[in-house]
Amino acid sequence: QVLLQESGPGVLKPSQTLSLTCTVSGGSINRGGYYWTWIRQHPGKGLEWIGYISGSTYYNPSLESRVSISGDTSGSRFSLKLTSVTAADTAVYFCARAESYYNHYFDYWGQGILVTVSS
Amino acid sequence: EVVMTQSPGTLSVSPGERATLSCRASQSVFVNVAWYQQKPGQAPRLLIYGASTRATGVPARFSGSGSGTEFTLTISSLQSEDFAVYYCQQYDNRPPFTFGPGTKVDIK
Repeated sequence: QVLLQESGPGVLKPSQTLSLTCTVSGGSINRGGYYWTWIRQHPGKGLEWIGYISGSTYYNPSLESRVSISGDTSGSRFSLKLTSVTAADTAVYFCARAESYYNHYFDYWGQGILVTVSS
Repeated sequence: EVVMTQSPGTLSVSPGERATLSCRASQSVFVNVAWYQQKPGQAPRLLIYGASTRATGVPARFSGSGSGTEFTLTISSLQSEDFAVYYCQQYDNRPPFTFGPGTKVDIK
C-alpha cells in the first residue's frame, strides 16, 4: 500500500517561494518506473497538472518558468518549488503517483495541503 | 494542449437512479481517459482508466465507455456515497495531462 503525505507552509506572502514536500511510504520514487507528480486545485475549481519527476522532470508549460520538482536520494520524498507566488497560486496542492508514462493516470494521491498566498 | 469539457455541470439524481456523465476531448485521445471521484475535503479517487477499466476496489455500478473524443461515465444505481464531483482526465497526448472541469452529482 503506497501512502503519500504533503507537508509545508500553509501561508505565504506574494513574491515568496512555495516549497512543499511529499513523503512516500510503501514505495520509492527511485524504483518502479512511476511518475511522481504534483497537481493543484484552486478553491472550488478543477484540477491542474503541475509536473512530474521520474528520473527526469517535465512541467506544465504554463508554470514552467517558476516551477521545479526534485527528489531526494533516499527515494522517500520529492519536492515542489514554485517561485514568485501570487494570490493566483492559492490552491490545494496534491502529490500523486502515475503508473507509467503511457498509463498516466493517478492511482495514489496524498490528502492535499492548502497553500494560501496573502499579504 | 488537449481541452477536456464535461457535461452537465451539475446532475441532480435520486438515490437508486442511473446517472450518465459526459466528457469530451478537443482532439482524439483514443481510450486514454480516466475518471475520478472527489468528495469534499478529500483527494480525488481513481475510478476508471483506459476509458472502461475499473480501478481496484471500484464497485461494478460504475462503468466507463467511449473512445476518440466522446466518453461516458455511468453509475447504474446511485448510492448515498456516490454523491460527489466527478472529473475526467486525458493522458494520451504528451504533457500537460489535462482534466475536465468536473460534474457535480447531487441529491434530487
